Amino acid sequence: AQSVTQLDSQVPVFEEAPVELRCNYSSSVSVYLFWYVQYPNQGLQLLLKYLSGSTLVKGINGFEAEFNKSQTSFHLRKPSVHISDTAEYFCAVSARDNTDKLIFGTGTRLQVFP
Amino acid sequence: DGGITQSPKYLFRKEGQNVTLSCEQNLNHDAMYWYRQDPGQGLRLIYYSQIVNDFQKGDIAEGYSVSREKKESFPLTVTSAQKNPTAFYLCASSHQGTGNTIYFGEGSWLTVV
Repeated sequence: AQSVTQLDSQVPVFEEAPVELRCNYSSSVSVYLFWYVQYPNQGLQLLLKYLSGSTLVKGINGFEAEFNKSQTSFHLRKPSVHISDTAEYFCAVSARDNTDKLIFGTGTRLQVFP
Repeated sequence: DGGITQSPKYLFRKEGQNVTLSCEQNLNHDAMYWYRQDPGQGLRLIYYSQIVNDFQKGDIAEGYSVSREKKESFPLTVTSAQKNPTAFYLCASSHQGTGNTIYFGEGSWLTVV
């Protein structure tokens, strides 16, 4: 079985500052990794995903994430955040041999202040 | 435009009543899913379906039921057996296959009083 841990429930940051949202996963098999963003009272939107190849993945809205197999991590980063990045961010994992189930972390609330 | 439509957006029901949440997609996706979202708990899978007339229980299926009579539709019924039904419900869909992106609807808020 897979599991995802998002260590920070909330991350406050000032506008134009860099941010890192942490995600660690646990799995006995190879996995695919995803980051989703959720704006208030809306569904989730895919930011980026890692399937294979380069461990640095670039996504929408200037976000990127790096897959680190030895540390079982998939941290999300942005060099300079905007007010509009204020949202809930979810890390998710699925097993490569059973992609029907996407397991989500508990989410990190990113709050960007002016 | 292609997408996933959930209705209603907000729903209030009295305790003990069954309620059905609608989910329709026009993305020609084979797989559909229902997730429940509670504050601080992330998303938990209720049911999923890979093909028409077939579906599987997720991690928290007790007190819920689904049907998949058409490829485009995957309604979720919250029954009176569900002990804590008040939550935000998200429908999603995807193509079959490894690593495919799961797309989400806008969600439905269910409040049981």
